[in-house]
Amino acid sequence: KQEVTQIPAALSVPEGENLVLNCSFTDSAIYNLQWFRQDPGKGLTSLLLIQSSQREQTSGRLNASLDKSSGRSTLYIAASQPGDSATYLCALLYGNNRLAFGKGNQVVVIP
Amino acid sequence: NAGVTQTPKFQVLKTGQSMTLQCAQDMNHEYMSWYRQDPGMGLRLIHYSVGAGITDQGEVPNGYNVSRSTTEDFPLRLLSAAPSQTSVYFCASSREGTPSYNEQFFGPGTRLTVL
Repeated sequence: KQEVTQIPAALSVPEGENLVLNCSFTDSAIYNLQWFRQDPGKGLTSLLLIQSSQREQTSGRLNASLDKSSGRSTLYIAASQPGDSATYLCALLYGNNRLAFGKGNQVVVIP
Repeated sequence: NAGVTQTPKFQVLKTGQSMTLQCAQDMNHEYMSWYRQDPGMGLRLIHYSVGAGITDQGEVPNGYNVSRSTTEDFPLRLLSAAPSQTSVYFCASSREGTPSYNEQFFGPGTRLTVL
């Protein structure tokens, strides 16, 4: 069974610092990896999708890397802003388009 | 496109009542799935469907029923609600094709409380 771990579970950073969020997984037989953002009481917003053959994906201030051999993905958020405060979820796509989720990184950016 | 829609947004049930959570998508996606989100547990797969008429169990299927009579709709039925089913329920969909390209799209969720 795929196990997905996100570390740290929660973190606070001052505005302007770079954020580094980690996701590790036990089974490298994945199709892709998706990072989502979730605001309190809200749904999931897709941020980035990295295909299994890719090493990284970038969108604006966000950069996500994928290393299947070591079972790791990292989400970098450059120059954090208070609006980046949210929970970030890592999810791996495996057979029949099913997702295995981590429990999330809860981020607070302090103005 | 409305994307993935879910109704109702909020629901309170009494133990033993039954209800159906609705999910619809207008993107002609073949794959649809239901997840529940609980504090400290993350999102867990309840049931999924790879096309009309085809469904299968996920990680936590007990107490839930699904059917998929059309491509657009994938309702989730609670047969006899229990307090352990208090949760936030999310529906997701994705297209058929090369799996590595398949981005998952989520609905806004249904917040269910069982008393």
